[in-house]
Order: sequence, then C-alpha cells, then structure tokens
Amino acid sequence: LAKTTQPISMDSYEGQEVNITCSHNNIATNDYITWYQQFPSQGPRFIIQGYKTKVTNEVASLFIPADRKSSTLSLPRVSLSDTAVYYCLVGDLMNTGFQKLVFGTGTRLLVSP
Amino acid sequence: NAGVTQTPKFRVLKTGQSMTLLCAQDMNHEYMYWYRQDPGMGLRLIHYSVGEGTTAKGEVPDGYNVSRLKKQNFLLGLESAAPSQTSVYFCASRGRDGELFFGEGSRLTVL
Repeated sequence: LAKTTQPISMDSYEGQEVNITCSHNNIATNDYITWYQQFPSQGPRFIIQGYKTKVTNEVASLFIPADRKSSTLSLPRVSLSDTAVYYCLVGDLMNTGFQKLVFGTGTRLLVSP
Repeated sequence: NAGVTQTPKFRVLKTGQSMTLLCAQDMNHEYMYWYRQDPGMGLRLIHYSVGEGTTAKGEVPDGYNVSRLKKQNFLLGLESAAPSQTSVYFCASRGRDGELFFGEGSRLTVL
C-alpha cells in the first residue's frame, strides 16, 4: 500500500486558491488517489478522486503528473468554511480483494478572514 | 437514506469493562472499516472486512475484536478496555467505485 506524505499544516486567506500536495512515491499501477475532508467532530467526507492527469468537480480539482508520484488538490477561492483537515488516500480502490485503506497524517488547513 | 450509522455516539467505561460498538450501513456495501482517531491525530485503521463473514487486521488491531455476521453490520468489540483506548472511533463503508462513507463517530472514554 502506497505511503503518503503531506504537509502538516497550511494557512490561507479567504478568496485565495489553495494547493495541497501529497507525495506517494511507491504508488502502484492500479492505485487511485482520493482526497477527503474532515471537520472537527465529524467523519471524513469524499472530495475528489483520480487516476491520472486532471480531474475537476464542483468543489475542487486534482492534478496528477505523468509519473503519478505526487498529486495536488486545488481548492479555488477558499472560504472560512474550508478550514478542515485534508487527507490524501492512495489505494487500489477497485480491487475486490483485501484492501487496507490507510490514511496519512493529513494537512490541517486554516483559512483566515 | 441513513448511510452509515454508529451506535452509541458517546460512552464512558471503566478500565477492564467490555463493550461493543455497532456500525450499520444501508448501502449494500461489501467493504467496511473501523478507524480510531486520537485528539489532533490522523485516522488509524483497526480492522476491516471485505464481506459478510470476513475480517482482517489493520494497523492497530491489538485489544479489539470484530465481527461481520451480517453484510450491513460491522461490530467492534473491546474485551477489557484500557485508558489507551480512549478515542473517537469511526466506521466507514466502501462501494465498488471506491468512495468511503463515514459514520459520525463514537466517542469513547476509558477511565
């Protein structure tokens, strides 16, 4: 299972774009990259998932370079409500066999006025 | 659609007591997971299951047991609670598209 490394914390201001990078040097061919958001006292919730290049949805974009050894979650124009912990998860999510899904330490994003 | 429901949401135990946390999902998911999260820390995988009747150890399985007798339920048991098991416990289920759905958490305090 690919080990992930993220910055422990990041600070930003309202209206700015935030980019959080996750390193996963030993990502396997069948691994997908998924990002989750967690607010205090809540369970994590899915943000975005991708395999390669770029994925965009209504809340974020995910950039994955050709070698797939890292990925970047991009949050456009953050607001105070985006203050949360963001986790990068790498794994063969389509595998029907035993799959440990191990989270990294996460990045604590603080958005200030 | 309730999603993933955890019971109880709060519990206080004395050292040595036993208890069971229940996780129920109504999405017909095969895969279910139990994580613990200590204050200010990330999620650590305790046990997981890839289907009814199956279980497997995660990163920190010691002191916990699990059972998956029914597809919709994943039980986490503490046979003899210790203060080190004070934590918030999260259950998650996963569908075939890979997305994890988490419950609201169960806050356990062991005195």
